[in-house]
Amino acid sequence: QQQVKQSPQSLIVQKGGISIINCAYENTAFDYFPWYQQFPGKGPALLIAIRPDVSEKKEGRFTISFNKSAKQFSLHIMDSQPGDSATYFCAVSFSGGKLIFGQGTELSVKP
Amino acid sequence: DAGVIQSPRHEVTEMGQEVTLRCKPISGHDYLFWYRQTMMRGLELLIYFNNNVPIDDSGMPEDRFSAKMPNASFSTLKIQPSEPRDSAVYFCASSLWAGRSTDTQYFGPGTRLTVL
Repeated sequence: QQQVKQSPQSLIVQKGGISIINCAYENTAFDYFPWYQQFPGKGPALLIAIRPDVSEKKEGRFTISFNKSAKQFSLHIMDSQPGDSATYFCAVSFSGGKLIFGQGTELSVKP
Repeated sequence: DAGVIQSPRHEVTEMGQEVTLRCKPISGHDYLFWYRQTMMRGLELLIYFNNNVPIDDSGMPEDRFSAKMPNASFSTLKIQPSEPRDSAVYFCASSLWAGRSTDTQYFGPGTRLTVL
């Protein structure tokens, strides 16, 4: 079964706009919620992550919002830039380091 | 550090042939993960090791797939015999010991496998 559902599958945003990607999970035992960024031809790389005892985490233009009761978390990219064009994956994790990834969102930021 | 190193970067083979993918994790990292990425199934964890010992191989699709980690600096993923449906990008990743879920996984550049 799909333990984490990510939406949308693709997203087109104008330069300077806000990009929002959402993820929903099933298992309340997950204790770590990272977002990975992947450029074409490269491996995914950690972008930002949050633990369930925090409702929001911000790093530069990237913010994770976490809603524990709804079992949802989202990535917000403020002032989106063409260089942000990539595929973004949410993930969930149990202790032990095993990551379960969402299906990915292909973001395109138009100049 | 050079990061996670994978070889080859591209592999084209014919159905029925044996394929071996190689990975060198970041020095000092005691966790090593093998993933497969396809358009249909996304990023799937195949197997992971801790201190060279396989911990969870529940993602290995079938007996045609096998993985080994003979030492802390080298791992292989072998497919024998290969089939067209094995075509995918295979990633290796490593992380520090501790086994905490917060440990960052560092991915290699991947091996793009095409089975004809």
